[in-house]
Amino acid sequence: GQQVMQIPQYQHVQEGEDFTTYCNSSTTLSNIQWYKQRPGGHPVFLIQLVKSGEVKKQKRLTFQFGEAKKNSSLHITATQTTDVGTYFCAGPSGTYKYIFGTGTRLKVLA
Amino acid sequence: GAGVSQSPRYKVAKRGQDVALRCDPISGHVSLFWYQQALGQGPEFLTYFQNEAQLDKSGLPSDRFFAERPEGSVSTLKIQRTQQEDSAVYLCASRTGGLSNTEAFFGQGTRLTVV
Repeated sequence: GQQVMQIPQYQHVQEGEDFTTYCNSSTTLSNIQWYKQRPGGHPVFLIQLVKSGEVKKQKRLTFQFGEAKKNSSLHITATQTTDVGTYFCAGPSGTYKYIFGTGTRLKVLA
Repeated sequence: GAGVSQSPRYKVAKRGQDVALRCDPISGHVSLFWYQQALGQGPEFLTYFQNEAQLDKSGLPSDRFFAERPEGSVSTLKIQRTQQEDSAVYLCASRTGGLSNTEAFFGQGTRLTVV
């Protein structure tokens, strides 16, 4: 079945360093979504990418959708302690549902 | 309401006990999902409703799991004869439309512990 993998599984960075997580799908995606889940919290929607090669920015966060629409990345510039959490990508499976990636857990050391 | 509401937030069940988890989605949202999230893992799809119709239940792990949304709003996930492997956070999410191109709003989840 369809699989969505993310690397790395864990990342510890010093505050101020950059961070990148990569998402890879076994199938071509019509779109991809990114969610953030704070420790003890629930997933919160960040963004959706639709077009091949699309790049979107939200302040220090840069999201990219691959040309083949099978991979995506999230890059955070100059991490802050508020960035702590697990970042999930999610790709549609069929008409209705999303398959979530394995997630990347980010720890930021002050 | 302002967001997706789930109750209870925490549930401890003895093995073999039946449990019922409630989800109150955002008013007017057509789509409702249940996900299961084990510790340190991503949310795993359980089932999907479009209004009152359960269109996909392929993720339900066994026939002990049952979900309903009789009036197209509130949904209940029922687990019969709970087992220790059912321990997880159960997340409910809702979406405005029926297609997979809009954001999902998640509730706080119900943490189920089976002892």
